[in-house]
Amino acid sequence: AQKVTQAQTEISVVEKEDVTLDCVYETRDTTYYLFWYKQPPSGELVFLIRRNSFDEQNEISGRYSWNFQKSTSSFNFTITASQVVDSAVYFCALSEGWETSGSRLTFGEGTQLTVNP
Amino acid sequence: DAGITQSPRYKITETGRQVTLMCHQTWSHSYMFWYRQDLGHGLRLIYYSAAADITDKGEVPDGYVVSRSKTENFPLTLESATRSQTSVYFCAIADSLNYGYTFGSGTRLTVV
Repeated sequence: AQKVTQAQTEISVVEKEDVTLDCVYETRDTTYYLFWYKQPPSGELVFLIRRNSFDEQNEISGRYSWNFQKSTSSFNFTITASQVVDSAVYFCALSEGWETSGSRLTFGEGTQLTVNP
Repeated sequence: DAGITQSPRYKITETGRQVTLMCHQTWSHSYMFWYRQDLGHGLRLIYYSAAADITDKGEVPDGYVVSRSKTENFPLTLESATRSQTSVYFCAIADSLNYGYTFGSGTRLTVV
């Protein structure tokens, strides 16, 4: 069965610090998709990135970057020069192939990031 | 164009009462999902549906009932609400063409 683990329950940093959120996943499928979502205090889920299992290239989007390593089953998320507006709960999630498991999305427990001024 | 709409946004109900949470999509995506969010557990899948009249249990289905008579609607019913069902409920759709998911704004349900 698929599983996502976010070992860091809470992280607190000071503004402008870099911070990395860890995500480890388990799956038996060779085709899968990994996601990161942000949930600000307002409560909605904001999509950040999707990565498929065949693309191990790291991605950078502004202050955000993602490191996908199949060898360690990890999909870590780094925020560079953090800002107060980055304070939120961040979820890593896994979808095991649209044909085999009905495209269900499995979430990690989430990491609460607090960026202090 | 909201895409996916959940109602109500907030609901307080009493133990033992039946309550239905609504989810409506303006598209015609096949897959729809119900998740509940609780502190320390992330989002857990309650039920999902692959198409109209096709539903299946997720990780935490006990105490919930779903139906999907029309593609665009996927209501979630708590037949006899319990305090342990106090949670935030999210409806979602899967876009199989783009391999993405869209979530509703959530329903905050309190059972007293």
